[in-house]
Amino acid sequence: GAVVSQHPSWVICKSGTSVKIECRSLDFQATTMFWYRQFPKQSLMLMATSNEGSKATYEQGVEKDKFLINHASLTLSTLTVTSAHPEDSSFYICSARGPGQGLNYGYTFGSGTRLTVV
Amino acid sequence: DAKTTQPNSMESNEEEPVHLPCNHSTISGTDYIHWYRQLPSQGPEYVIHGLTSNVNNRMASLAIAEDRKSSTLILHRATLRDAAVYYCILDNQGGKLIFGQGTELSVKP
Repeated sequence: GAVVSQHPSWVICKSGTSVKIECRSLDFQATTMFWYRQFPKQSLMLMATSNEGSKATYEQGVEKDKFLINHASLTLSTLTVTSAHPEDSSFYICSARGPGQGLNYGYTFGSGTRLTVV
Repeated sequence: DAKTTQPNSMESNEEEPVHLPCNHSTISGTDYIHWYRQLPSQGPEYVIHGLTSNVNNRMASLAIAEDRKSSTLILHRATLRDAAVYYCILDNQGGKLIFGQGTELSVKP
């Protein structure tokens, strides 16, 4: 079946530093990937849509300069949290439709990245 | 985006069937109905999805009402490993899945 690999699974960083999270589709190509964040005891909130070879589309209220998304290939999207602050601490999850792009396929999610900013 | 409504929580006994309901009265004719589940500290896991007809796979069955305004996820024999938050989501073909609050399923031994 389709696999989306997310790395790292957890990271602790100091306030003011930047952190990069990688999301890879291991056995299929994904022209579009999605990034979510999830706070404790809450549902997933869509942050942005990552489009291969073009700019990401951000949801309302998400700062594009703070959450930089790059989708340089059909199998890799990255999310960089710039100048991280404690309020950015959260569980970040990526997803892609796969293993095919048609509507008869569901979405595959990464295992998530737990970010803690101290 | 069309919205879904699910009960906040449900309980089940191990090895008994579980019926998880979802209302989506504003569904459009081209929206697919997706179900995912999430265990603590993990990404969501695909369960099943469908458009109009009932669907079966190795994990579950999806029963879709004739008017498509509601659906039910059926776990035929609940196990302790099925305890999770279950999300019913409409895919409007724009590619974005918008998550609601889901149903937290607990399974008693």
